[in-house]
Amino acid sequence: GQNIDQPTEMTATEGAIVQINCTYQTSGFNGLFWYQQHAGEAPTFLSYNVLDGLEEKGRFSSFLSRSKGYSYLLLKELQMKDSASYLCAVRAAGNKLTFGGGTRVLVKP
Amino acid sequence: DADVTQTPRNRITKTGKRIMLECSQTKGHDRMYWYRQDPGLGLRLIYYSFDVKDINKGEISDGYSVSRQAQAKFSLSLESAIPNQTALYFCATSDSRQIGNTGELFFGEGSRLTVL
Repeated sequence: GQNIDQPTEMTATEGAIVQINCTYQTSGFNGLFWYQQHAGEAPTFLSYNVLDGLEEKGRFSSFLSRSKGYSYLLLKELQMKDSASYLCAVRAAGNKLTFGGGTRVLVKP
Repeated sequence: DADVTQTPRNRITKTGKRIMLECSQTKGHDRMYWYRQDPGLGLRLIYYSFDVKDINKGEISDGYSVSRQAQAKFSLSLESAIPNQTALYFCATSDSRQIGNTGELFFGEGSRLTVL
């Protein structure tokens, strides 16, 4: 089976940086995804890592260490609209995607 | 118009009733999925289909059934709804055939089901 852990909730100030950690245990790792989900809406794709290292996309970056079973999503220059849940998901053998419980980020003025 | 469309968006029903949630997509993707979302539990996979003749159980398939009527349509049925099936249900698609893509999921807008 798979086990994916991420913090339940984080609070940060507008303009600051927040790092959301995700640890996982899985067999047959085949990629890690981050999704953003605003309340009551569908998740939307943010980033994908399959090799170790940092992937940067504007204000958002995602890091992966396969040997440590660890990823983080870094949100820079936080804006109020970044208040949302951030879902870590791991693709393993069989190409199924398993999600963590999600981290709710609250951005305060 | 949404590329992945779910109907109904909201449904209230009673225990024991049969319910069908429908999903259709215009993305031309071969793979389709049904997830349910409960507070604090994230998204859990109910069933998935990699092609029209392919149906697979996910981690929580008990009490549910699916039908892949065409490449673009994937419906989820609750044969006899019970209150703990109250949840937000998402349909998703992905494309396995495009070289170099990540295989990310594209979600519908969700169907909120309440079983009384």
